[in-house]
Amino acid sequence: EDQVTQSPEALRLQEGESSSLNCSYTVSGLRGLFWYRQDPGKGPEFLFTLYSAGEEKEKERLKATLTKKESFLHITAPKPEDSATYLCAGSNTDKLIFGTGTRLQVFP
Amino acid sequence: ETGVTQTPRHLVMGMTNKKSLKCEQHLGHNAMYWYKQSAKKPLELMFVYNFKEQTENNSVPSRFSPECPNSSHLFLHLHTLQPEDSALYLCASSLRAGTRDSPLHFGNGTRLTVT
Repeated sequence: EDQVTQSPEALRLQEGESSSLNCSYTVSGLRGLFWYRQDPGKGPEFLFTLYSAGEEKEKERLKATLTKKESFLHITAPKPEDSATYLCAGSNTDKLIFGTGTRLQVFP
Repeated sequence: ETGVTQTPRHLVMGMTNKKSLKCEQHLGHNAMYWYKQSAKKPLELMFVYNFKEQTENNSVPSRFSPECPNSSHLFLHLHTLQPEDSALYLCASSLRAGTRDSPLHFGNGTRLTVT
């Protein structure tokens, strides 16, 4: 069964303390791995798509990487405004299989 | 307006009521989706419309009835709901369904409470 698992469930960081969020997947025929950010009371906002192992994408303090079994979202020197829930999803054919998310809190 | 707009933002309804959720997208997309988001559960796909044709009904109970009159508008008609249907209902759109180069763009959802 296709599945996406995210860890940790919650992460508390001090401002400037770099860390990584993990997304492990077992998705047959993976066509793409997506990262989204969701703020409280809002819908998910698209961040990145990764297509093949070894690929990396960056946006401000975020860098997403992909291997054949997992993806990482690295957050460098986070700021309080990076606090959100980060969702990853694997795509096979026309379906997205979502993980349950990592809730990130960054304290000043 | 730009993006994906959902109304209402909040809805409280009794189990015998009938209500509708509305979604409108201003992105020129051709695919629209309904998702259900419950606490500590993955986003759950409910329905997909591609060029106004329903292409996915993910074993959703018949008390949820979608309608897509055109590529810009999507409705979810609700009747005789159960308390376990309380959740955040998200609408999304993409350029077209079934392509990996077409990420979803979400609205901010309708928070539904069934009493």
